[in-house]
Amino acid sequence: NAGVTQTPKFRILKIGQSMTLQCTQDMNHNYMYWYRQDPGMGLKLIYYSVGAGITDKGEVPNGYNVSRSTTEDFPLRLELAAPSQTSVYFCASSMTGSGANVLTFGAGSRLTVL
Amino acid sequence: AQTVTQSQPEMSVQEAETVTLSCTYDTSENNYYLFWYKQPPSRQMILVIRQEAYKQQNATENRFSVNFQKAAKSFSLKISDSQLGDTAMYFCAFMKQGAQKLVFGQGTRLTINP
Repeated sequence: NAGVTQTPKFRILKIGQSMTLQCTQDMNHNYMYWYRQDPGMGLKLIYYSVGAGITDKGEVPNGYNVSRSTTEDFPLRLELAAPSQTSVYFCASSMTGSGANVLTFGAGSRLTVL
Repeated sequence: AQTVTQSQPEMSVQEAETVTLSCTYDTSENNYYLFWYKQPPSRQMILVIRQEAYKQQNATENRFSVNFQKAAKSFSLKISDSQLGDTAMYFCAFMKQGAQKLVFGQGTRLTINP
């Protein structure tokens, strides 16, 4: 199984541009998450989804949008990119939201906004 | 809101030595989960060990063990017989039961020297 797949791995954007980070999981997990990791810091939750058609905000949702039309896919949309969005983005999934279920992380997407 | 604090930004030990990474957390919850994640230079987030707060027995996984002190809100990670492959960032994380999200500490950069 591929697990959690993120694309692209690297991207450079100009200020004001928009883009979508793609995330797909093949484990039939209900829960999916987007985190960002700023240099030298831990991960912070942007958005999460408990199932198809349901999404909710995390700690740092401003400047981002998500959708969950299928169980497998959870894309993250950046509108009007800003330098503050320079970060490494991680998608993750789990069967349920309980801590009894381990999160499986993707390999991360490094985004630079210039 | 829960917070997780890792007070050691960097640590360095010789191969085969034992090293302990510190983590404290702040919560008013009684039921929760604690985790240690490893992030090697590949950026992949890898679960090292997990502890359920209702379990008094400390979790162990091969060379990795924790010292969970619930009253003190402390959750340290001990790595025995350290190996070069243990070189990585280590993140302590907290999840309140039913919260659907992980709260991460700032991380400790561990270097194992040959």
